[in-house]
Amino acid sequence: AQRVTQPEKLLSVFKGAPVELKCNYSYSGSPELFWYVQYSRQRLQLLLRHISRESIKGFTADLNKGETSFHLKKPFAQEEDSAMYYCALETSGSRLTFGEGTQLTVNP
Amino acid sequence: KAGVTQTPRYLIKTRGQQVTLSCSPISGHRSVSWYQQTPGQGLQFLFEYFSETQRNKGNFPGRFSGRQFSNSRSEMNVSTLELGDSALYLCASSSTGLAGETQYFGPGTRLLVL
Repeated sequence: AQRVTQPEKLLSVFKGAPVELKCNYSYSGSPELFWYVQYSRQRLQLLLRHISRESIKGFTADLNKGETSFHLKKPFAQEEDSAMYYCALETSGSRLTFGEGTQLTVNP
Repeated sequence: KAGVTQTPRYLIKTRGQQVTLSCSPISGHRSVSWYQQTPGQGLQFLFEYFSETQRNKGNFPGRFSGRQFSNSRSEMNVSTLELGDSALYLCASSSTGLAGETQYFGPGTRLLVL
């Protein structure tokens, strides 16, 4: 069965420091992976997806099939990056399996 | 374009009652998915509808059901409510629901079962 694991529930960094949010997955098929973000009092929204290999708001994520990981990285964290981040695996069609989320706090 | 809307935003029910939640997708989107979010289980997929047909289903009991109308609006129903059904229910829409498509989430309906 598919599974997504985000080992850190809470992550705190200082402004300007690098940040890495970890995501590991378990899936027998070819994975489609996403990062969703939820800012305070806003709805869940897509941050990036691996198939487009884009950088959004300075964040990047590389799919490592050998390590079954899809870690989210940003070289210099900003206070406005404080939010809840969810890693998600798409299996059949639009069905998403989410990790438990990581609450990122960027301190001034 | 207007985003995904959900009504009502908050709901209080008692055990044994039933509840119906509504979701209006982004105009032109034909796929609507529903998720349950709880502190203990996180975000879990309930089901997905496309062109008025349930195309995908998660691991929830039969008390959870849904439907989709010809205008793509969707409703989900929970019968015989249990305390554990207290959760934030999110719906998401996408154009066709095909692999790799962006899903756009609504603000959610927060259900409290007493």
